[in-house]
Amino acid sequence: DSGVTQTPKHLITATGQRVTLRCSPRSGDLSVYWYQQSLDQGLQFLIHYYNGEERAKGNILERFSAQQFPDLHSELNLSSLELGDSALYFCASRESGLAGPHSYNEQFFGPGTRLTVL
Amino acid sequence: AQKVTQAQTEISVVEKEDVTLDCVYETRDTTYYLFWYKQPPSGELVFLIRRNSFDEQNEISGRYSWNFQKSTSSFNFTITASQVVDSAVYFCALTSSNSGYALNFGKGTSLLVTP
Repeated sequence: DSGVTQTPKHLITATGQRVTLRCSPRSGDLSVYWYQQSLDQGLQFLIHYYNGEERAKGNILERFSAQQFPDLHSELNLSSLELGDSALYFCASRESGLAGPHSYNEQFFGPGTRLTVL
Repeated sequence: AQKVTQAQTEISVVEKEDVTLDCVYETRDTTYYLFWYKQPPSGELVFLIRRNSFDEQNEISGRYSWNFQKSTSSFNFTITASQVVDSAVYFCALTSSNSGYALNFGKGTSLLVTP
């Protein structure tokens, strides 16, 4: 168990709908990363939040948005869903202490949310 | 920009064979980190190893071994005496501080080990 939780585990919805995926990071981790794993695009980085602020964007569609709340949990909002949005969505959390130049703070992945758009 | 290439899409071996999964990467960063993850049919991502760019020592862990060569920008993964339980998709990934430590994954190699 990585300590990162994601809900729901499975989500089935219809095209055009809007869904929210939730991620609770490990206790004390300030960074949350979202990734999408789809058949077409593989496993790709979507967005990174640190202590409530957006830090970096990857290949995230404009229909998608995310936020991180004061309690550090994060939500990924997907709107106007299309068939191609069907994917496994992972979040990962990471320690944010001073790692130094020759050390690295590990990223811990949640179990993922499997989204099916019909 | 960083890039990870796993040229082998699918590999099929018979149990007890050795198998090597290739990973080639591109980065302009001088300090970076390489990873291998395993994704079994259940879907979770299982961390296998991290290698720092300044440490080119190869590593062995049981039946698993990793060969990191900066000269060829490769980080290959070998499973010795493969077992059916090794059947999974394996991902190579790369990150650095310049990418905010977001992981750049290769497309993955699907390994099927048959009895």
